[in-house]
Amino acid sequence: EVQLVESGGGLVQPGGSLRLSCAASGFTFSAHYMDWVRQAPGKGLEWVGRIRNKANSYTTEYAASVKGRFTISRDDSKNSLSLQMNSLKTEDTAVYYCTRVGCTAGLCYDLAYWGQGTLVTVSS
Amino acid sequence: DIQMTQSPSSLSASVGDRVTITCRASQGISNYLAWFQQKPGRAPKPLIYAASFLQSGVPSKFSGSGSGTDFTLTISSLQPEDFATYYCQQYNSYPRTFGQGTKVEIK
Repeated sequence: EVQLVESGGGLVQPGGSLRLSCAASGFTFSAHYMDWVRQAPGKGLEWVGRIRNKANSYTTEYAASVKGRFTISRDDSKNSLSLQMNSLKTEDTAVYYCTRVGCTAGLCYDLAYWGQGTLVTVSS
Repeated sequence: DIQMTQSPSSLSASVGDRVTITCRASQGISNYLAWFQQKPGRAPKPLIYAASFLQSGVPSKFSGSGSGTDFTLTISSLQPEDFATYYCQQYNSYPRTFGQGTKVEIK
């Protein structure tokens, strides 16, 4: 069974930094692209970014709202995904979800599996 | 960026009703569209991928259709457990984008 468990959320001041982690199990982590998605309180879903697998050179994509401030990385030896968040703003307050791409019969699609999320609050 | 527009933003319906939610993309996305269901305090649950393919374990009362710019999610007979917020998402290009959500409430 695919399991994604986020951790590292909490309260941080504007301008501060925070690192989120996602522990993956139940699948071959190294083979899959991984994404982060966030949801501000009472708002809709916002895609944050993606990291591809080793075969695709661990390349990344980011939403414009976080580019240059957030960095996605992975440690395949530890089945772990990370999101380093710097220069945090109040508008970064959200539940952050770790997600995995899925593939069925050769058809691949985004956000097939989700963690339970971790809350980040940016406030003074 | 591709804008995804859902309609309606909310709807009230009764148990047993047939419900249709639409999602329009600002440019063509072929069939690279997914639908998600979210209940309060829970992570979104994937329902449909590639516009019309049901995720494993999702009941057949859910169906999706469309291609290009116009898509629909239909719930054939609404049940109490279906009251939730539904989101569409395009994965044709970066950045990935979501619709604003459709909240399905009990009439």
